[in-house]
Amino acid sequence: GAVVSQHPSRVICKSGTSVKIECRSLDFQATTMFWYRQFPKKSLMLMATSNEGSKATYEQGVEKDKFLINHASLTLSTLTVTSAHPEDSSFYICSARGQGASWVHEQYFGPGTRLTVT
Amino acid sequence: SQQGEEDPQALSIQEGENATMNCSYKTSINNLQWYRQNSGRGLVHLILIRSNEREKHSGRLRVTLDTSKKSSSLLITASRAADTASYFCATNSIGSGSRLTFGEGTQLTVNP
Repeated sequence: GAVVSQHPSRVICKSGTSVKIECRSLDFQATTMFWYRQFPKKSLMLMATSNEGSKATYEQGVEKDKFLINHASLTLSTLTVTSAHPEDSSFYICSARGQGASWVHEQYFGPGTRLTVT
Repeated sequence: SQQGEEDPQALSIQEGENATMNCSYKTSINNLQWYRQNSGRGLVHLILIRSNEREKHSGRLRVTLDTSKKSSSLLITASRAADTASYFCATNSIGSGSRLTFGEGTQLTVNP
């Protein structure tokens, strides 16, 4: 199956700093990547959809300037949490899907990144 | 917004027993998918059922879909301690492209 990695797996940062999380598709070209946020014992909330080479589409209520998404290549998308605050502490998960009709309904998920803002 | 509701929220059974989890949704869908998540880890895709399908099997998993009731169920037969995890349904709604909307999840504990 397709493999998606995330880096780092865990990060602790201080309030006011920015943190970058990488999402990579290792064995396929990801035309679309999705970023989710998950609070403890809760479901996944879609934050944004990013298509390679174009601006990300953010879900209602998600601040574009706070959660910067870049999808500069077919194998890499990054999420930067800017000026992080303790309430941004969460589990961030990406998923990716490839090109072609066979990919229409398939998404592969990364292992997640645990962000703790102190 | 989360449209899926799952019940039960938590389920505790003994090894060997069957586990049934239910999911309800509100929109018209292209397909419904079930995922598994071990604590603090990413999601593993289990099974996808299309809107024109009523039942699907994969190993010890059986998924049903009733589009008239906008509901789905996931049955795990002969459960094992290793099945302990959270299980989420996710719907791909018509007109949403490939976006998924996740349910609240069921925490399954299988006791040895």
